[in-house]
Amino acid sequence: AQSVTQLDSQVPVFEEAPVELRCNYSSSVSVYLFWYVQYPNQGLQLLLKYLSGSTLVKGINGFEAEFNKSQTSFHLRKPSVHISDTAEYFCAVSDLDGNKLVFGAGTILRVKS
Amino acid sequence: EPEVTQTPSHQVTQMGQEVILRCVPISNHLYFYWYRQILGQKVEFLVSFYNNEISEKSEIFDDQFSVERPDGSNFTLKIRSTKLEDSAMYFCASSEALVSNEQFFGPGTRLTVL
Repeated sequence: AQSVTQLDSQVPVFEEAPVELRCNYSSSVSVYLFWYVQYPNQGLQLLLKYLSGSTLVKGINGFEAEFNKSQTSFHLRKPSVHISDTAEYFCAVSDLDGNKLVFGAGTILRVKS
Repeated sequence: EPEVTQTPSHQVTQMGQEVILRCVPISNHLYFYWYRQILGQKVEFLVSFYNNEISEKSEIFDDQFSVERPDGSNFTLKIRSTKLEDSAMYFCASSEALVSNEQFFGPGTRLTVL
């Protein structure tokens, strides 16, 4: 069974500052890793995913994440955030069968002007 | 851009009543899912569905729950006799294929059981 821990429930940051949202996972098998974003009153939208290959993954809206197998982490980063990035961000894993996603508790990113 | 839609956006029901939550997945997708999020808790997997069969279900998905694809476009989640603890946001998702394929999520149905 897999589990995901998002260490920060809320991250406040000023506009144009860099941000890192942390995600650690636990699994006895190889996994795929995902970051989803949820804007108010909307569904979950995929930001990026790691399946294999390069450990640095680039996604939409200028976000990127780095897979670190030894630390079982998949932290999300953006070098300069905008007000419009204010949302809740979810880290998720699936096993290689890909049949279901296991989510973390989510991190609310609040970007202040 | 194609999207997953869900109706209703908010459903209020009395404990013990049956509810049906409806979803229209993206038209060429073959795999369908239901997840739920109780207020303040994680998004949890309920069930996956492929080729008119349940592929996998979680411990939450007990005999009170059922899923159906009654026609070529809808995918429904039925809760037979609702309990207070069924109050949650229910998300439908669909994907074109398994493994490496993005699951596209709908906006959710907020179910309130009184």
